[in-house]
Amino acid sequence: DQQVKQNSPSLSVQEGRISILNCDYTNSMFDYFLWYKKYPAEGPTFLISISSIKDKNEDGRFTVFLNKSAKHLSLHIVPSQPGDSAVYFCAATTANQAGTALIFGKGTTLSVSS
Amino acid sequence: DGGITQSPKYLFRKEGQNVTLSCEQNLNHDAMYWYRQDPGQGLRLIYYSQIVNDFQKGDIAEGYSVSREKKESFPLTVTSAQKNPTAFYLCASSIGGSYEKLFFGSGTQLSVL
Repeated sequence: DQQVKQNSPSLSVQEGRISILNCDYTNSMFDYFLWYKKYPAEGPTFLISISSIKDKNEDGRFTVFLNKSAKHLSLHIVPSQPGDSAVYFCAATTANQAGTALIFGKGTTLSVSS
Repeated sequence: DGGITQSPKYLFRKEGQNVTLSCEQNLNHDAMYWYRQDPGQGLRLIYYSQIVNDFQKGDIAEGYSVSREKKESFPLTVTSAQKNPTAFYLCASSIGGSYEKLFFGSGTQLSVL
């Protein structure tokens, strides 16, 4: 049973426009959420995170929004650039529970065309 | 430079053979993890260790074994019991405790001959 779901396997966006990547979760105990970016044949790199005490976190072109009642989060990239083309993974954990590990979604492949 | 080193980059396994994937970190992190990536399947947790000489099974531990004799090292052995070992294997580490931002290595691609 998937606890973290990324229902869109792929997304195509034009350069300069907004990219919105979505993630849903089922475990109400999750209280810390992260987004990772991954290029082929490389390890994922951390992008941005959000704690459940917030509903928004911004870092440059990247903003993550959290809707706890809907168990939904989204990553907004504005403006999108060709170098943003990668697989984006949503991940979640219970940060106040030591000994747990991140649970990842299946990823969304973003393609940004120039 | 601090980081996580995985070796080899590519590995081939013969039928019935055990193979070991290396993972070393010099970030002084307490926790280390092994994930497996299959196409369209995301990252699935194999094993993780929060402290030296202790480790826990993840979601897909069957056919794998690990050891954590040193803080810096967390090798993964893919045993002959793992019937579908072809995948991209990722090692990661974190400060540990309740803070779970992971730092990943560059991965090992394992294929079956």
